Amino acid sequence: NAGVTQTPKFQVLKTGQSMTLQCAQDMNHEYMSWYRQDPGMGLRLIHYSVGAGITDQGEVPNGYNVSRSTTEDFPLRLLSAAPSQTSVYFCASSYGGNEKLFFGSGTQLSVL
Amino acid sequence: GDSVTQMEGPVTLSEEAFLTINCTYTATGYPSLFWYVQYPGEGLQLLLKATKADDKGSNKGFEATYRKETTSFHLEKGSVQVSDSAVYFCALSDRGGSYIPTFGRGTSLIVHP
Repeated sequence: NAGVTQTPKFQVLKTGQSMTLQCAQDMNHEYMSWYRQDPGMGLRLIHYSVGAGITDQGEVPNGYNVSRSTTEDFPLRLLSAAPSQTSVYFCASSYGGNEKLFFGSGTQLSVL
Repeated sequence: GDSVTQMEGPVTLSEEAFLTINCTYTATGYPSLFWYVQYPGEGLQLLLKATKADDKGSNKGFEATYRKETTSFHLEKGSVQVSDSAVYFCALSDRGGSYIPTFGRGTSLIVHP
């Protein structure tokens, strides 16, 4: 039982590079979301999706893009990496609104 | 908008001590309330939840009661163990909104033998 799978676990980028953080879940969850975790800031919502083809912005969406072409996958794209995007990124999914979130193990990203 | 405020950490306790981590919230609707725990190097996992006023969530010896009159959801445990050392996050999910949870900043708990 895989749950929520995030790749890669670690990534180092140079300023201006682009990359995609992958997130996949095998629980047929409708809701998926991306958070970033920074010291002293807790978890902040970047983007979320309530179903395939539907995405919306969270609290800190600038510099990130998402798409949801299938129920299983919810990739997060960094368009032009900046040092301010150095963080730990978590993907999460749930059966629906108001339900328990299942988290991936995180991606630690450093932008130099 | 919705927000969650947690007491700042770290909270440092000796084994078998009583734990309280304070959490208060602001919401426009009727939120569900959650406590999540993050062990070192891992993602968050649900510890307990409560969906309406006066509900008590409980799990693994931890408890929290949904207090609408004080807009609070304080986490308590009667006797902590070293294995409880982790970061604890209070969160709310507003049924009048997107349902995507809003998290507090987290409180680090360190338990010494």
